[in-house]
This record gives sequence, C-alpha cells and structure tokens, in this order.
Amino acid sequence: AQSVAQPEDQVNVAEGNPLTVKCTYSVSGNPYLFWYVQYPNRGLQFLLKYITGDNLVKGSYGFEAEFNKSQTSFHLKKPSALVSDSALYFCAVKGDTGRRALTFGSGTRLQVQP
Amino acid sequence: GAGVSQTPSNKVTEKGKYVELRCDPISGHTALYWYRQSLGQGPEFLIYFQGTGAADDSGLPNDRFFAVRPEGSVSTLKIQRTERGDSAMYLCASSLSGTYNEQFFGPGTRLTVL
Repeated sequence: AQSVAQPEDQVNVAEGNPLTVKCTYSVSGNPYLFWYVQYPNRGLQFLLKYITGDNLVKGSYGFEAEFNKSQTSFHLKKPSALVSDSALYFCAVKGDTGRRALTFGSGTRLQVQP
Repeated sequence: GAGVSQTPSNKVTEKGKYVELRCDPISGHTALYWYRQSLGQGPEFLIYFQGTGAADDSGLPNDRFFAVRPEGSVSTLKIQRTERGDSAMYLCASSLSGTYNEQFFGPGTRLTVL
C-alpha cells in the first residue's frame, strides 16, 4: 500500500519570506513524487515531479522540492513567497511498480500574508 | 492547447437517481483517470483506463459506480441509485502512457445528491 502524509493543515508565511510545505510518503519500490496546487474553483495544477536523478527538483512559479530517500520526504519550497501563492497544495506518490494511480495527501493550505 | 474538460461543472440530483459525468481528455493522452475529492481531503482514486479498457477499477466504491471509454478518448462515469454520500467533486485526469508521466486534471464536476 502507498500513502502520503502532509502533517500541516495550514502554513502561514509573510510575503518575501521562504516557505516550506512538508510531505512524507510510503510506497513499494522506487517512488515517483508529485506536487499539485489547487486554487479556489479550479482544478489541480501540476507543479513539479521527482522521478530520478538530482534530489532537488525545480518546477513552475519558482517552486522547488527536495527528495530525501532516507527520510522518505519530498518537501516543497520557495525562496520568496508571494501573496498569489496562497492556495491548497497536495503531495502525491506512486511507485515504479504496480498501480498507476496517484495517492494524494490531505493537502496543506498555504496563506501568504502581505 | 486544450486541457482536460469535464461536463457538467455542477450536477444536482435527488437520492436514487442516475447520473452521468463526462470527461474529455487532452488529445493524444492514452491514460485516463477518475478521482473523487470530498471537502477537506485529497483526491481518491476511482478508476484508470489505458486506451479503451479499464486497467484498474479497484477504487470504485461499489457496483453502483461504472465508467466507460468506448473509443479510447472521452470517458463517462456513471452512478446508479445515487446516495447522499456520493456528493463530492469528481475529477478526471489524463496523461501520456508511462508510469512517470504527470497527470493533467480537469476542473471537476461537483455532484450534489439531495
């Protein structure tokens, strides 16, 4: 079975400060890890993914994520937060064997204060 | 190019009625997924199509739920004898074949069962 934990329901950060949204996972085999963002009344938008290679992955809108195999984590980061980054963020995983469907975490709401 | 589209955007029905939800994937995407998202939770997998066939339907909650993709493009999720607990956002996603490809999501259909 595969699972994702996002331990924080909400993260608050001031505009211009760095942000981190945490994610840990459990999966059989090698993990494929994804981050998605959901704005109100809109679908999930793909931000970035880790498949293999460099542990630091860069994605859309200045976001990046760091894969840590020993800690089974894939935290989302951004050096300088914008008010427009305020949204719901989901981490998702699937293994390189078995089911093709993604398993999502419960989401973390990011609030960036001006 | 055009993204994943879903119709209707909202569907209100009465308990016991039959509903159909439609998904138009991105052209050329052979993989298609249905997920269900309840308020405050991450999406949960329902069914996965590779081409015309359902490759994994392990997420369907019971036999009231059924999905088809007869020509390998448009898919319809069908729910018989709807119950109030079926109320949720139903999301469709498509991707290129290959385990590591990201899924692109549609805006969803919000189903409300009265």
